[in-house]
Amino acid sequence: DSGVTQTPKHLITATGQRVTLRCSPRSGDLSVYWYQQSLDQGLQFLIQYYNGEERAKGNILERFSAQQFPDLHSELNLSSLELGDSALYFCASSAGPGQGPGELFFGEGSRLTVL
Amino acid sequence: AQSVTQLDSQVPVFEEAPVELRCNYSSSVSVYLFWYVQYPNQGLQLLLKYLSGSTLVKGINGFEAEFNKSQTSFHLRKPSVHISDTAEYFCAVSRLNTGFQKLVFGTGTRLLVSP
Repeated sequence: DSGVTQTPKHLITATGQRVTLRCSPRSGDLSVYWYQQSLDQGLQFLIQYYNGEERAKGNILERFSAQQFPDLHSELNLSSLELGDSALYFCASSAGPGQGPGELFFGEGSRLTVL
Repeated sequence: AQSVTQLDSQVPVFEEAPVELRCNYSSSVSVYLFWYVQYPNQGLQLLLKYLSGSTLVKGINGFEAEFNKSQTSFHLRKPSVHISDTAEYFCAVSRLNTGFQKLVFGTGTRLLVSP
């Protein structure tokens, strides 16, 4: 158990809809990362937050947005969903500066299926 | 920008045989290197990492990797695999001294261990 909790584990929805994925980082971790894993694209970095502030952006679509709340949990919002958005969405956490580089702790993912 | 190439999408091997999973990276700056493992229906977990110092790095579950700067490689090895090593293995890089651990992942290598 990594200590990172993601909900829901599975989600099935229709094209055009909007969903919210939730992540609770490990206790004490200030950084949250979102990754998308799909068969054709592999693991793609979407966005990173540190203590409530956006720190890095990757291949995140404009239809997607995220935020990190004062209690450090994070939400990834996906809107106007398309078939191609079907993927496994991972959240990972780390303490941020001062922690060993690359030590991300991953949740078990939220599997999104868009029909 | 950094990139990672994992040449083998799938590696079948018999139990107790040795295995090598290949990883090459590209970067104009110095990087940290990592191997993560993803067991079925689970999130990723850190297997081992190279930050500096000895180029031979030992990780969990008997795995080791060797950093070769001249060949820009970081191949993962295990002298004798078990059925339980069946999983997806991801090589990843991050830039040095960024303070934040944004990882760029390879496309993964599926290790299939059979009796």
